[in-house]
Amino acid sequence: QVQLQESGPGLVKPSETLSLTCNVSGGSISGYYWSWIRQPPGKGLEWIAYIYYNGSPYYNPSLKSRVTILVDTSKNQFSLNLSSVTAADTAVYYCARRSSFKFDYWGRGTLVTVSS
Amino acid sequence: EVVLTQSPGTLSLSPGERATLSCRASQTLSNEYLAWYQQRPGQPPRLLIYGASSRATGIPDRFSGSGSGTDFTLTISRLAPEDFAVYYCQQYGTTFAQGTRLEIK
Repeated sequence: QVQLQESGPGLVKPSETLSLTCNVSGGSISGYYWSWIRQPPGKGLEWIAYIYYNGSPYYNPSLKSRVTILVDTSKNQFSLNLSSVTAADTAVYYCARRSSFKFDYWGRGTLVTVSS
Repeated sequence: EVVLTQSPGTLSLSPGERATLSCRASQTLSNEYLAWYQQRPGQPPRLLIYGASSRATGIPDRFSGSGSGTDFTLTISRLAPEDFAVYYCQQYGTTFAQGTRLEIK
């Protein structure tokens, strides 16, 4: 059973960079796309980016200028960097496996608050 | 860019009743691109339906998906207490709609 676990700081200051890592266990990262999705408190889901295991990234156009997604197959993990954060970036951040146009495995999510 | 719109925003029903949730796309989608998710409070979304009509592993058969083109439907045949949650449709492994909240009447 594939399992995903997000990790990273729960508090980030405005204008700084949010950095998260997703560790994949129970299966190989190879052969799939891996994604980040976020959910502001009380609101809906927003896709941020996904990356193929070979390193090809795809970004939400609305966030593209601030987002970097990377994959490390040797560690079976992938990561997210979101720069120049504001309070609007406060959200629960989920990592998920994207398989044939659907997200079939999800992490439990990690709340990141942007505040000074 | 494809925009997805769900209706209604909130649906109030009683256990045992039938729920019909709608998802409309701003342009024609291939059925294989359309998925539905359930999200209970404090939990990550759970994949229910993919390819517009295929149930994900472990999903009860009271959940069904249908539709094509720009109009898609999630139907829950007889609501169980644990089905009251928020439901999202999503296309192409990217865009999500705003969600439908299914609440107990």
